Amino acid sequence: QSVLTQSPSASGTPGQRVTMSCSGSSSNIGNNYVYWYQQFPGTAPKLLIYRNNQRPSGVPDRFSGSKSGTSASLAISGLRSEDEADYYCAAWDDSLSGGVFGGGTKLTVL
Amino acid sequence: QVHLQQSGPGLVKPSQTLSLTCAITGDSVSSNTAAWNWIRQSPSGGLECLGRTYYRSKWYYDYAISVKGRITISPDTSKNQFTLHLNSVTPEDTAVYYCARDQPPYFFDSWGQGTLVTVSS
Repeated sequence: QSVLTQSPSASGTPGQRVTMSCSGSSSNIGNNYVYWYQQFPGTAPKLLIYRNNQRPSGVPDRFSGSKSGTSASLAISGLRSEDEADYYCAAWDDSLSGGVFGGGTKLTVL
Repeated sequence: QVHLQQSGPGLVKPSQTLSLTCAITGDSVSSNTAAWNWIRQSPSGGLECLGRTYYRSKWYYDYAISVKGRITISPDTSKNQFTLHLNSVTPEDTAVYYCARDQPPYFFDSWGQGTLVTVSS
C-alpha cells in the first residue's frame, strides 16, 4: 500500500492532453515539494518534474506539473506513442522522515 | 554527469543477508549536498525508499521503519561507493533494488540500473 495515491491507469489518443493525479496528506504533499518520474519497462525511473512544476533539462515542455493543497497533477499535452509508460509521484514525508511514492499510473496511448 | 553502477547477487536464500553495492562516478559519496539512497520496486510495481546515507561534516543514516533493524547502508570513501545490507531476508524482500542520488533541488535525479534480487531457497 503506497503512501501517495494514484489512479492505476490513464489513457489517451495521440495529440490529446491527459492528466493524472497524486493524492497525499499534510505530512507529505501538503508540506513538501512533489516530484514526478517516468518509467519504461525494465528501466529505472527517470525524473520528469521536480519541485512541483519544474522540468529538468531535456524534458519536453509537453510535460507539466502542478500542486494544490495535498494533491498534485501531471499533465501531458500533445500525447505521443512514446509517452506510454508508468508515471510515479513522490514527495518527502515529514512523519516518516523519508521519501514516499505513489503506486504509479500506467499510461496507455490508444 | 553522474553514473551509478550497481553490483551484487541476484539470488539470496531466506534468512540470509542481501548485499548490493553502488559505485559512483561523476560525484562523491562524501558530497556535502547529495544523499545516497536505496529504493526497491516490488513485483507489483510499487516503489519504496529503504534508506539513505549522507555526509554533512559527519555521516548520517536514515532508514525506513519497514526495514529498520535489518538494514545497514555503508559508505566507502576509498572506493567512492555505498553498500546496502539487508539481513534476515524473506520472499517478501524479492524486488528490483535501485540506488539513487538525491541532489537538491532534484530529489532522485540519478539512478542505478537496478538489480532484481530474488529471495528463494
